Amino acid sequence: DTGVSQNPRHKITKRGQNVTFRCDPISEHNRLYWYRQTLGQGPEFLTYFQNEAQLEKSRLLSDRFSAERPKGSFSTLEIQRTEQGDSAMYLCASSLNLVGVIGGYTFGSGTRLTVV
Amino acid sequence: DQQVKQNSPSLSVQEGRISILNCDYTNSMFDYFLWYKKYPAEGPTFLISISSIKDKNEDGRFTVFLNKSAKHLSLHIVPSQPGDSAVYFCAARSNSGYALNFGKGTSLLVTP
Repeated sequence: DTGVSQNPRHKITKRGQNVTFRCDPISEHNRLYWYRQTLGQGPEFLTYFQNEAQLEKSRLLSDRFSAERPKGSFSTLEIQRTEQGDSAMYLCASSLNLVGVIGGYTFGSGTRLTVV
Repeated sequence: DQQVKQNSPSLSVQEGRISILNCDYTNSMFDYFLWYKKYPAEGPTFLISISSIKDKNEDGRFTVFLNKSAKHLSLHIVPSQPGDSAVYFCAARSNSGYALNFGKGTSLLVTP
């Protein structure tokens, strides 16, 4: 098991372009989360999947953002018409159970997006 | 609205001494509290957690203390090692939610 894998590691795009990130969770983990981290801040929750069902979305996830997890395996996060304010590290995490004393998420190394 | 606050952006400690990282929260509905460690260019790594029904949890060199009345928790690292140098994030979740609420992090530097 190689952990949570995110691709690409880095993405530079021009403002107005669409971008898509991919996350491959730990294979037996049925829960998958997307977070965004900007400079000097902690990770901020974007959305959560249990298997293929998207159960919660943050208000941070504007209409330009969409996430999918077909067949409950890998997930994609798409940002349409990117803006400079979208520049951030996008983190994916997975877990077997709800996060609590039984353990935390396993995070991937993230995709760093730079919008120029 | 920042529900989890880490008011010290950085902390420097000598190797072998105790590191104490602090965290305050405002939401009394939080049921679980977690600490994550993050090295540059890596995702956060889960370190230790505590349920709101406990006031202490220990795992090797790491101990988390929870003071519910003060809405305060702290992470103690004893003894501190240079490899502990990283950014430490405090996070919290309620039983009814899926999201973790993170603080802004404290950058710990352990000097030889």
